[in-house]
Amino acid sequence: KNEVEQSPQNLTAQEGEFITINCSYSVGISALHWLQQHPGGGIVSLFMLSSGKKKHGRLIATINIQEKHSSLHITASHPRDSAVYICAPLDPQGGSEKLVFGKGTKLTVNP
Amino acid sequence: SQTIHQWPATLVQPVGSPLSLECTVEGTSNPNLYWYRQAAGRGLQLLFYSVGIGQISSEVPQNLSASRPQDRQFILSSKKLLLSDSGFYLCAFSGTSGADEQFFGPGTRLTVL
Repeated sequence: KNEVEQSPQNLTAQEGEFITINCSYSVGISALHWLQQHPGGGIVSLFMLSSGKKKHGRLIATINIQEKHSSLHITASHPRDSAVYICAPLDPQGGSEKLVFGKGTKLTVNP
Repeated sequence: SQTIHQWPATLVQPVGSPLSLECTVEGTSNPNLYWYRQAAGRGLQLLFYSVGIGQISSEVPQNLSASRPQDRQFILSSKKLLLSDSGFYLCAFSGTSGADEQFFGPGTRLTVL
């Protein structure tokens, strides 16, 4: 079973700060999702990546498959970035691939 | 464009009552479909997934069942709800490869009293 660890569990930042959320997992994977869950519960997929780095606006995700580690960075954070960020590796299990979820990092960005 | 719908958005049901949550997908054919649950204070958990009509795989033994009567329709059901069934239920879809990116519906918040 793939064990997924996210850190930190909670993060409070001031507007404009650079944010880093880390994710490590125990079993080799083919790809990994970063998800954003807003207070209402809705989930949005931010990235799916299998190597290197991806960038969407102020969000950057990196992954090192060999080291079993991924990071999500937010540059120039804004209060609207406040949400729970969830790391979800795509874990090969019994011939099919399924998402395994971290417990999430709750980010609060204060103005 | 691809869209995913879930309803209802919120639901309050008494213990022992039946449940039916519906999820439909538009703009894609033969998607993989998933039901997830997020219990209060806990992470997401995969409940069921389906790779085609009538094909359902259950991940966790529980009081729930799933059905896929049409290609783009996924239904989560229970004959008798338990208090422990309360939670936030999310439907998701992906392409036919299990490695495709998943897209999530808006969710249904279920409270069992």
